Amino acid sequence: AQRVTQPEKLLSVFKGAPVELKCNYSYSGSPELFWYVQYSRQRLQLLLRHISRESIKGFTADLNKGETSFHLKKPFAQEEDSAMYYCALSGPGNQGGKLIFGQGTELSVKP
Amino acid sequence: ETGVTQSPTHLIKTRGQQVTLRCSSQSGHNTVSWYQQALGQGPQFIFQYYREEENGRGNFPPRFSGLQFPNYSSELNVNALELDDSALYLCASSPERVGAFFGQGTRLTVV
Repeated sequence: AQRVTQPEKLLSVFKGAPVELKCNYSYSGSPELFWYVQYSRQRLQLLLRHISRESIKGFTADLNKGETSFHLKKPFAQEEDSAMYYCALSGPGNQGGKLIFGQGTELSVKP
Repeated sequence: ETGVTQSPTHLIKTRGQQVTLRCSSQSGHNTVSWYQQALGQGPQFIFQYYREEENGRGNFPPRFSGLQFPNYSSELNVNALELDDSALYLCASSPERVGAFFGQGTRLTVV
């Protein structure tokens, strides 16, 4: 079964601390993995995707096919990082659609 | 600014009624997907349209149907509304293989 699991509903850290938001997936094949973020009162927006191997707002994520994980990391959290984060996968050739989302992790960065 | 707009933003319907939600995508985004997001959950994939043809469907009954038009607009129709249909409905459009751009959503309440 295709599934995305985000084991933490809430992650609370202090400003300047490292952050790791966990994401594990189940998929038979080679999925495309994404992280989406939703800031308060804003729409869901793409943060990064594994195929581009880019760093956005200091966040990075490495696809580990052996552990079927795609954890999101940032070395030094900022208060403006507080938001809901969703990990999602899409099958190859799905034109970026048909996303399967995890339940989300709320990141709270305290001053 | 993603250029994906949804209407209306909020809607209240009575159980058993029918509802149509609308989405306007960015020009050139040939793929549009619809998602249902219940409170405290990640978005769930309803279906996807690619160049006006349904191109994949999630685990939703046939009373959820859709249309995509040549002008990059689309509709989600739900018949025989049930209380459990109360949720945020998200439209997302995609250029090829770069992830989805989401609208702000329509909050549907069924009473």
